[in-house]
Amino acid sequence: ETGVTQTPRHLVMGMTNKKSLKCEQHLGHNAMYWYKQSAKKPLELMFVYSLEERVENNSVPSRFSPECPNSSHLFLHLHTLQPEDSALYLCASSQDPGAGESYEQYFGPGTRLTVT
Amino acid sequence: AQSVAQPEDQVNVAEGNPLTVKCTYSVSGNPYLFWYVQYPNRGLQFLLKYITGDNLVKGSYGFEAEFNKSQTSFHLKKPSALVSDSALYFCAVRDGESNYQLIWGAGTKLIIKP
Repeated sequence: ETGVTQTPRHLVMGMTNKKSLKCEQHLGHNAMYWYKQSAKKPLELMFVYSLEERVENNSVPSRFSPECPNSSHLFLHLHTLQPEDSALYLCASSQDPGAGESYEQYFGPGTRLTVT
Repeated sequence: AQSVAQPEDQVNVAEGNPLTVKCTYSVSGNPYLFWYVQYPNRGLQFLLKYITGDNLVKGSYGFEAEFNKSQTSFHLKKPSALVSDSALYFCAVRDGESNYQLIWGAGTKLIIKP
């Protein structure tokens, strides 16, 4: 496997279910991101981990819970979601930006989530 | 307020013609600018970035972008469009107040007709 992989690619869940999205990066990066992509809207950054520490949390509802056990893996745990949470969830990784630097992010193919 | 604008929801170009996808931005501090492309059912792919230096930046698949500081623009260009360039294109600028946050445009759908 190369690049950034995400599983599952598609997920349908009821509002009372608990599920998890998985992301793995094979690029040797040390920062990982979760984004939400909805149609015709800008990407929404949800969480950022750098060196396995959460560094950004953009007012995301608590029904979304991230986990970063090591620099190569990132999870998004989902519970009691709402229909408006249906979207494409993208994972990305990069070198840690640091002050005065900016590295491009590399994205996985995404998980298409449908909440019924 | 910091923002990125992609004024065109869709751009139609005939194959072989030059293409331009527009992006303007507003950000505090020095702008770090990016272009990404998204093909159907795929994640975003990095095309190119401007950090500093030459205003004309060359990227993947024959794309280039011109940074214009006075117009706060970073338009994506290609001299000769291919049908396979049809995709969704996103412009982004690094948030001047965060090392990690990118401010994204809403995307422009590029359609190249044979």
